[in-house]
Amino acid sequence: DGGITQSPKYLFRKEGQNVTLSCEQNLNHDAMYWYRQDPGQGLRLIYYSQIVNDFQKGDIAEGYSVSREKKESFPLTVTSAQKNPTAFYLCASRDGPANYGYTFGSGTRLTVV
Amino acid sequence: ILNVEQSPQSLHVQEGDSTNFTCSFPSSNFYALHWYRWETAKSPEALFVMTLNGDEKKKGRISATLNTKEGYSYLYIKGSQPEDSATYLCARGVQGAQKLVFGQGTRLTINP
Repeated sequence: DGGITQSPKYLFRKEGQNVTLSCEQNLNHDAMYWYRQDPGQGLRLIYYSQIVNDFQKGDIAEGYSVSREKKESFPLTVTSAQKNPTAFYLCASRDGPANYGYTFGSGTRLTVV
Repeated sequence: ILNVEQSPQSLHVQEGDSTNFTCSFPSSNFYALHWYRWETAKSPEALFVMTLNGDEKKKGRISATLNTKEGYSYLYIKGSQPEDSATYLCARGVQGAQKLVFGQGTRLTINP
């Protein structure tokens, strides 16, 4: 079945360490997105990519980095520069024009210990 | 950031009752309005994408309307069932920017 796979489901990181969250899709979608969710807030856009080898900063990109070397993969690195990284992270993809619905992964919960 | 507001934040409804909730957004430069259902421990699922003023969409017992001139959308659920318990997200498409801005969601609980 086609879909988006995020791994791991739960991740613990020590302060000062970088960590990479995986997002893989087999939907052949061009556009991919990373969102962050904090309690009581809407999903906030971190980075997005419309095409391989190209990506743009979202609203809260500081302390994060991404790459898009393959169409099916859009990994997110949470760096030590991210001051408050504990959150739930969702990856999404979209096929077609911008007025098409998104397909989401099941998320990764990152906790800094 | 173009704020999207959803109300209420949470809602408890008796099984069999109908309910509705609201998504408000800036009406300028409107492009698209999305609704998603997010059940606990699952992925958000697309319900509707609406682009035209006056759009009405329906999926089973769930329907949505759109007013782009005044900047709001309503989601209606008729005859609520326990499986309708979820967080409902709306999101505004930003014209030309190929991205969505989400509201904080309405958490719906159906009491049997």
